[in-house]
Amino acid sequence: GAGVSQSPSNKVTEKGKDVELRCDPISGHTALYWYRQRLGQGLEFLIYFQGNSAPDKSGLPSDRFSAERTGESVSTLTIQRTQQEDSAVYLCASSSPWGGEQYFGPGTRLTVT
Amino acid sequence: GEDVEQSLFLSVREGDSSVINCTYTDSSSTYLYWYKQEPGAGLQLLTYIFSNMDMKQDQRLTVLLNKKDKHLSLRIADTQTGDSAIYFCAERANDYKLSFGAGTTVTVRA
Repeated sequence: GAGVSQSPSNKVTEKGKDVELRCDPISGHTALYWYRQRLGQGLEFLIYFQGNSAPDKSGLPSDRFSAERTGESVSTLTIQRTQQEDSAVYLCASSSPWGGEQYFGPGTRLTVT
Repeated sequence: GEDVEQSLFLSVREGDSSVINCTYTDSSSTYLYWYKQEPGAGLQLLTYIFSNMDMKQDQRLTVLLNKKDKHLSLRIADTQTGDSAIYFCAERANDYKLSFGAGTTVTVRA
């Protein structure tokens, strides 16, 4: 079956511009996660959605970052007024409600120039 | 993440066994995971173990968990060139977030 998909795969943007990243989770997965991976580092949790519950935004690094998800479908991560330190790979994962296995998408590589 | 630590590099000869080690700090961890990341690719879930287990074997992979010492290891038997990748250890506590180590880069030499 189809896995987690993300778009775009690569995004180059100028400092100060806004960007929107998209994630399509595995069908039937109610839980969706966004992580950030800086070069040479592990993954950093950003935000978590579970069904229609309020999302856990505790990992978002600043108010320039926001994410939305409609029901149990697509999610978008928006970064406003991008900064060079936002350059990273943004990974999305989805899982069943109990979350034992998180399946990751291929990521979006964001480069802020 | 600062709560999960791994050695950064491992070099192994093709055909030998690889052992990747990880330590974590959260004693309430419920699941521990190993993910594989090949160049330019996303993370592939290799295996995971419940905290009430001490060993799990899946084909060439063996996971050992020492809960007392908060130590997790991944053994890859008969290491192949296709096993060259970055391996991430991750823990999940009572919530849903995964805390990741910085990754171990495994290089398989002929």
